[in-house]
Amino acid sequence: AQTVTQSQPEMSVQEAETVTLSCTYDTSENNYYLFWYKQPPSRQMILVIRQEAYKQQNATENRFSVNFQKAAKSFSLKISDSQLGDTAMYFCAFRRNSGNTPLVFGKGTRLSVIA
Amino acid sequence: NAGVTQTPKFQVLKTGQSMTLQCAQDMNHEYMSWYRQDPGMGLRLIHYSVGAGITDQGEVPNGYNVSRSTTEDFPLRLLSAAPSQTSVYFCASSYSNRLADTQYFGPGTRLTVL
Repeated sequence: AQTVTQSQPEMSVQEAETVTLSCTYDTSENNYYLFWYKQPPSRQMILVIRQEAYKQQNATENRFSVNFQKAAKSFSLKISDSQLGDTAMYFCAFRRNSGNTPLVFGKGTRLSVIA
Repeated sequence: NAGVTQTPKFQVLKTGQSMTLQCAQDMNHEYMSWYRQDPGMGLRLIHYSVGAGITDQGEVPNGYNVSRSTTEDFPLRLLSAAPSQTSVYFCASSYSNRLADTQYFGPGTRLTVL
């Protein structure tokens, strides 16, 4: 079974600084997707960024980028120029390319951006 | 285009009561799913559907029923609520179950079972 581990339950960062959230996963699959979701206090789950396992290039979306290390099964999220609106829970998720597969989520990291 | 909507936003039940959590999407998505989120944990899949008339169990299906009579709606039924079902419930949808398709989440329903 696939597992997703987020080892940092809570983190904080000063506004305008850079922060990196860690995620590791365990799978024997070769083709899969990885995702980072943001859950602000409103509880809405918002897709931040995703990475296709067969692509070597790290995905970027504006201030958000990932460091995807396939051999190490690591998928960290870097947030640059942190803003107060980035305060949220962040979930790493995995989805394998086999049948009707659901998302497998990590337990989340609570990020606080401090003014 | 409202996306994925869920009702109610909050609900309190007594043990043994039944209720239905509603989920609807207006994006013509085939794939819909229900997750529950408990403190300190990520989301866990309860049931999912790959199209009208087709449903299947996820990781934690016990105590829940689903049906998919239309593409738009995917209600989740609790037949006899238990305190262990106190949680936040999320409905999600995507165009298909293909790997590349983004899942869109509803705003969630916070359920408390006394």
